[in-house]
Amino acid sequence: QQQVKQSPQSLIVQKGGISIINCAYENTAFDYFPWYQQFPGKGPALLIAIRPDVSEKKEGRFTISFNKSAKQFSLHIMDSQPGDSATYFCAALGSSNTGKLIFGQGTTLQVKP
Amino acid sequence: DADVTQTPRNRITKTGKRIMLECSQTKGHDRMYWYRQDPGLGLQLIYYSFDVKDINKGEISDGYSVSRQAQAKFSLSLESAIPNQTALYFCATPRDNEQFFGPGTRLTVL
Repeated sequence: QQQVKQSPQSLIVQKGGISIINCAYENTAFDYFPWYQQFPGKGPALLIAIRPDVSEKKEGRFTISFNKSAKQFSLHIMDSQPGDSATYFCAALGSSNTGKLIFGQGTTLQVKP
Repeated sequence: DADVTQTPRNRITKTGKRIMLECSQTKGHDRMYWYRQDPGLGLQLIYYSFDVKDINKGEISDGYSVSRQAQAKFSLSLESAIPNQTALYFCATPRDNEQFFGPGTRLTVL
């Protein structure tokens, strides 16, 4: 049972464009929503994260938008660059006691020059 | 030096063979996790350990076992490998909700 659903599976964007990746979750007990970025041959690394008490968090060109009522959150990459080409995973913290993250299926982003 | 290391980085094995994947971390964290990554499925938790004496099953533990030899070392074993265990395997250690991942092991079971 996939508790965090991510879309699209793949995304191609032109340099300078906006990349948008969406996630939806089911469990209202989730209270921490990170995004991880993974380059080929590397492990995922934390990119940005948000808690449900805010609707938006911005770090440089990366923004998380959070809609608690709809149980959805999204990653926006402004002015997308070829160096942003990677796989992106959304996640939700299942339990702060265990630290177990529930990951989405992943989105492969390609930014064309 | 990398904080989380995994060996081997790549491994090809045959059905029925026993294989061990090893993970070491220098971050001094108590908790260590093993994940499996498959295309279209994301990362799924296999096992996690809070300390040397506390090991727990994750969502997909069948066919796997683990050993926490020390605070810094956590190994994953496939007792009798099968082709659908072909995947990328990641070790991770968390702190304050952030998971620090190793570089991964690409395992192919023929």
